[in-house]
Amino acid sequence: DVKVTQSSRYLVKRTGEKVFLECVQDMDHENMFWYRQDPGLGLRLIYFSYDVKMKEKGDIPEGYSVSREKKERFSLILESASTNQTSMYLCASNQLGEQYFGPGTRLTVT
Amino acid sequence: QQPVQSPQAVILREGEDAVINCSSSKALYSVHWYRQKHGEAPVFLMILLKGGEQKGHEKISASFNEKKQQSSLYLTASQLSYSGTYFCGKGTGNQFYFGTGTSLTVIP
Repeated sequence: DVKVTQSSRYLVKRTGEKVFLECVQDMDHENMFWYRQDPGLGLRLIYFSYDVKMKEKGDIPEGYSVSREKKERFSLILESASTNQTSMYLCASNQLGEQYFGPGTRLTVT
Repeated sequence: QQPVQSPQAVILREGEDAVINCSSSKALYSVHWYRQKHGEAPVFLMILLKGGEQKGHEKISASFNEKKQQSSLYLTASQLSYSGTYFCGKGTGNQFYFGTGTSLTVIP
């Protein structure tokens, strides 16, 4: 059974903190993605990675960075969290087709 | 890059039909459809790989018009279990973008 896991389901951080969201997949997929989901805006692509140490910006990369040191792990980093980064964050992986999602992390920045 | 979906929300009674549209300002090479139930991650429904293709999944089917850069999802004789948010998605090389989403609620 395929699996994408995320480190936390719920997270509360203060403005200015550095935040790490971790994602791990066990399907040996090359492509991994980070999205944020907000009401009325759908799923917006933040960053994606098509190989270890390779990354590309999506539609809304400002305020975020990513790291992919191992094929199975893709991390999203908020360098200095702000209240407008309060959102649901979804990680996904795919290879030539269907995207598999993690359960999501609901991040609240106060 | 994000596809646009319409309508944004729809409420149906059990047994009614619905159509959800997805359009892209840039070329669509393939279209995915996903459904997300409240509090859960999106789940894959189907993929259409070429223009003119139509696919079905129980009473849910989709079409893909490559020239018009559009796809439509058809839900017939809706059931309560169809409630959720539906997303189209498009692949461009290694990138993948989801649409703005359509909230569908089926009531008894």
